[in-house]
Amino acid sequence: DAKTTQPNSMESNEEEPVHLPCNHSTISGTDYIHWYRQLPSQGPEYVIHGLTSNVNNRMASLAIAEDRKSSTLILHRATLRDAAVYYCIPEEYGGSQGNLIFGKGTKLSVKP
Amino acid sequence: GAGVSQSPSNKVTEKGKDVELRCDPISGHTALYWYRQSLGQGLEFLIYFQGNSAPDKSGLPSDRFSAERTGGSVSTLTIQRTQQEDSAVYLCASSQGLGLGYTFGSGTRLTVV
Repeated sequence: DAKTTQPNSMESNEEEPVHLPCNHSTISGTDYIHWYRQLPSQGPEYVIHGLTSNVNNRMASLAIAEDRKSSTLILHRATLRDAAVYYCIPEEYGGSQGNLIFGKGTKLSVKP
Repeated sequence: GAGVSQSPSNKVTEKGKDVELRCDPISGHTALYWYRQSLGQGLEFLIYFQGNSAPDKSGLPSDRFSAERTGGSVSTLTIQRTQQEDSAVYLCASSQGLGLGYTFGSGTRLTVV
């Protein structure tokens, strides 16, 4: 399994952009990069995923480095509701191991 | 249903009793996963079902834990002879298949007293 490194915590001000980094230097060529977040007292929720190209959806953008050894989740305008733990998870696509391995993630605090 | 449903939402049990936790995945999702999360900790993988294949039980912490999935839909996680260290939130997720987004339920908070 590819190992990931994320900062333990980050702070942001409301309505400002947030860039959440993740290093995954041992990622294989077939691993998708998934991001999930977990709001307080809730189960995790899917945010975004990508393989090589940058990806955008209504929740966030995912910028993937050309060598795929790192990626950055971008929240364009943080809201108080975005305060959560954000998990970066490489997942082997089509492999025999289908479960996501959650690390400790980054706890994002958003200040009004 | 529209989401993954778990029941009960809360369960308090006495040490040594058996408990059953239920997960109703999204209709049509072939993959189903169980995780647990102790207070203030990350998610710990327990078991994974994919279609008709044999489940991946590599994450089950002891032989007191077992799970089954009937008819490729509803799953039950059973903990026998519960211990205090089993206290945690048990989360179920389902997905359409490998490499696709997971949808998690709200979890069952298990407290062993």
